[in-house]
This record gives sequence, C-alpha cells and structure tokens, in this order.
Amino acid sequence: AQRVTQPEKLLSVFKGAPVELKCNYSYSGSPELFWYVQYSRQRLQLLLRHISRESIKGFTADLNKGETSFHLKKPFAQEEDSAMYYCALSGRGSGAGSYQLTFGKGTKLSVIP
Amino acid sequence: GAGVSQSPSNKVTEKGKDVELRCDPISGHTALYWYRQSLGQGLEFLIYFQGNSAPDKSGLPSDRFSAERTGGSVSTLTIQRTQQEDSAVYLCASSLSRDRGFNEQFFGPGTRLTVL
Repeated sequence: AQRVTQPEKLLSVFKGAPVELKCNYSYSGSPELFWYVQYSRQRLQLLLRHISRESIKGFTADLNKGETSFHLKKPFAQEEDSAMYYCALSGRGSGAGSYQLTFGKGTKLSVIP
Repeated sequence: GAGVSQSPSNKVTEKGKDVELRCDPISGHTALYWYRQSLGQGLEFLIYFQGNSAPDKSGLPSDRFSAERTGGSVSTLTIQRTQQEDSAVYLCASSLSRDRGFNEQFFGPGTRLTVL
C-alpha cells in the first residue's frame, strides 16, 4: 500500500524566513513524488516533481529514499506563497497503468507580512 | 487552451436524492481521474478511466457511487441515495496516458456537494 504523510496541518512563517514543508511516504517500489499547490479560490496545480529536479517559484524538493522523505523547501518565504500544499505519490494502482495519485492531507502555509 | 471543466460548481441536495457530477477533460487526454476532497481528509482517489473503461475502481467508497465515461471524453460521477457524509468537493483530473513514467494530472475547479 502507498501512503503519504504530511505531519503539519498548518505552518506559519514570517516573510523572508525559510520554509520547509515536510512529506514522508511509504511505497514498495520506485515512487514518483510531486508537490501540488492550491492557492485561494484557484484549482489544484502541479508545483514540482522530483524527477525534473527543478526549482519552481523558488521552491525545491529532494527525494531522500533512505528517509523516505520529499520535503519542500524555500529559503525566503513570500506572502504570495500562502496556500495549501499537497505532497503526492504516483504508483501503480490496482489496474494496469493506472498511476493514481495518492495525496497527503495537506499543509496550509501562511506567510505573515 | 481550455482546461478541465466541471459542472455544476455547487450542488446542494437533500439526503436520499441522487446526484450527477460532470467532468469535461482536456481534449486529447485519454486518462481521467475522480478524487474527493473532504475537510480534514485531504484528497481521496475514487476512480480512474483509460478511454471509456475503468481499470481501477478501487477508491469508490460504496456501491452508491458509480461513474461512466462516454466517447473517451466526458465523464459523469453518480451518487445514489446521498448521505450527509458524501458532502465534499469532487475533483476531476485528466492526463495524457503513458505506459511508464510521469503523466501530469491537470485538475478541474471541482464541484462542491452539500447534502442536507
């Protein structure tokens, strides 16, 4: 079974402070990990994925297979970063080729001006 | 181009009534997914379509839930005899289908269902 855990429901940081949103996963295989973001009154959208190893809006995330973690980091938080962040794992579902996404419960990031 | 669209955006119904939720995926996307977003529960996978067939129905919470997809495009999620615990935001996503590797899922705005 695949599982994604985001231990923090709410994270508040001051503008300019570093941000780390934690994500741990459980999966018996080679997972694909993603971070999705949902800004207020907007639809859920992909922020970044581990295989591309890119930085989006200043955010990065490194897959640590030893610790089964995929924490999202940003060195200096901005007010526009306030949103709901979901960590997600893609693995084979019960049907061949399904690749369903398993989401964590999300962390609400609030950046205080 | 147009993204994933869902209708209605909001639906209020009485306990015991049936509801139908509609999803229009991005043109050309052969894979379609339904998720449920409940307060405090995050996003929960319901069902996946590849074309018109549903190889993965593992997430449907009960036999009151069903879904179909016609013409490899529009999908309808039907909830029969709704219960108050069905109240949630129902999200649809679509993606290009690939045998292996990454297939970004693009999400619709959701349908907020309230069962009174």
